[in-house]
Formats: sequence, structure tokens, C-alpha cells
Amino acid sequence: DTAVSQTPKYLVTQMGNDKSIKCEQNLGHDTMYWYKQDSKKFLKIMFSYNNKELIINETVPNRFSPKSPDKAHLNLHINSLELGDSAVYFCASSQLFGGAFYEQYFGPGTRLTVT
Amino acid sequence: GDSVTQMEGPVTLSEEAFLTINCTYTATGYPSLFWYVQYPGEGLQLLLKATKADDKGSNKGFEATYRKETTSFHLEKGSVQVSDSAVYFCALRKGASGGSYIPTFGRGTSLIVHP
Repeated sequence: DTAVSQTPKYLVTQMGNDKSIKCEQNLGHDTMYWYKQDSKKFLKIMFSYNNKELIINETVPNRFSPKSPDKAHLNLHINSLELGDSAVYFCASSQLFGGAFYEQYFGPGTRLTVT
Repeated sequence: GDSVTQMEGPVTLSEEAFLTINCTYTATGYPSLFWYVQYPGEGLQLLLKATKADDKGSNKGFEATYRKETTSFHLEKGSVQVSDSAVYFCALRKGASGGSYIPTFGRGTSLIVHP
């Protein structure tokens, strides 16, 4: 009964490659997010979609492109990977409108290592 | 803009010691406040929450009280266990009507509990 799932869990790739991470939630939430967590555990929000509409687009290189085919799925595509992209990427979901408490549910993370 | 400040870690305690992790916030309006916990190798999960002033959130022996007068939401536990070793994140969130969709997280505080 996984609430928020991500694939793959680990991703090792070389500089310059293009890769994608997929996320799915079965909670019926209307909003999904991508976060990047660095080695010091600092969590930085990257993007958020509400019902397939982009509502948060923080200062992120345009090599990163999110896509939301429907409100249960949010994918992250990264072009021309760089060493600095190495991090753990978390997907999360929450209810934005009509939700009483607005807490977020996080996926297990994708550890990306760029060599 | 909104911000959350947490005490720097790591916090190192012996089993059965009393825990306090300080969290203060800056925000306009009436945010909801959260504590999330991240166990090694996992995603964040909600530990407790409070949605209005003087509310107390509690879960698994942890407590935090929403103090509007001091803009604080300190996390406490009377007797920690080795299994509580994790990174703890304080966060705030305003509803969609609050004018900001962006959840705000603190930098996280690592807790290490020794037997």
C-alpha cells in the first residue's frame, strides 16, 4: 500500500547523460512536489504541480524539466547531468485546496550519483 | 518571506535523556506547523502537527506546542530511545488562501542517541 513511490531508488550515471525519475501517489492528492536533498540534509524545493499545472518553479537550472501527465504522477527529467546534481531527490504529495492540515507525504527518495 | 530556524546539530544524547530541539519561525498570516522525521535511508514522514496557536501536537512520545507569542514550535520528548536517532525537520505551511504555495522547511537537526 505504498502512498508515494519513486523509481528508481538508485541511479548512477556519467556526466553529460540524460536521466528521468518517476513518481506516483495513490493518496488522491491534488499537488505533487520535487525536492533535492544535499549531503548535509538540506531540503530544497524545486517544483510543484497542482492538478497538472505548475505552481512552484524555484531557481533550478533549466536542465531540469518536470512533467505531470496526470495529478497522480510527476516525473523529473534531467539533461546533461553534472557532478553537482548528485543528491537525493524526493517526491512528495499533499492536498492544497480543501485540505485541513496541508501536511506532505514523501516518497523514499532517489539517490542520484553522477560520476 | 517565510522562514524556519532550527538549532544546529548533531544533538547527542544517552538513552532515556530528555530531548528538546528548538524551532522558531517567521511568517505572515496563520501557518500550520509541522515536525517531520527522516530515518536513515528513508524519506521524511510526518511526526506531529499543530494548526493554530496553543495547539499541542503529539505522537510517539514527542510533543510540540504552537506558541504564537514567541513564534516557536519546540520539539520535546521525555525519554529518548536509540531508535529515535534520525534527522528532525521543522516546517511551516500556509493554506492556499494564505497566498503562498511554498512549504518552508528548517535545515534539519540530527539526533544521535547512544545506548
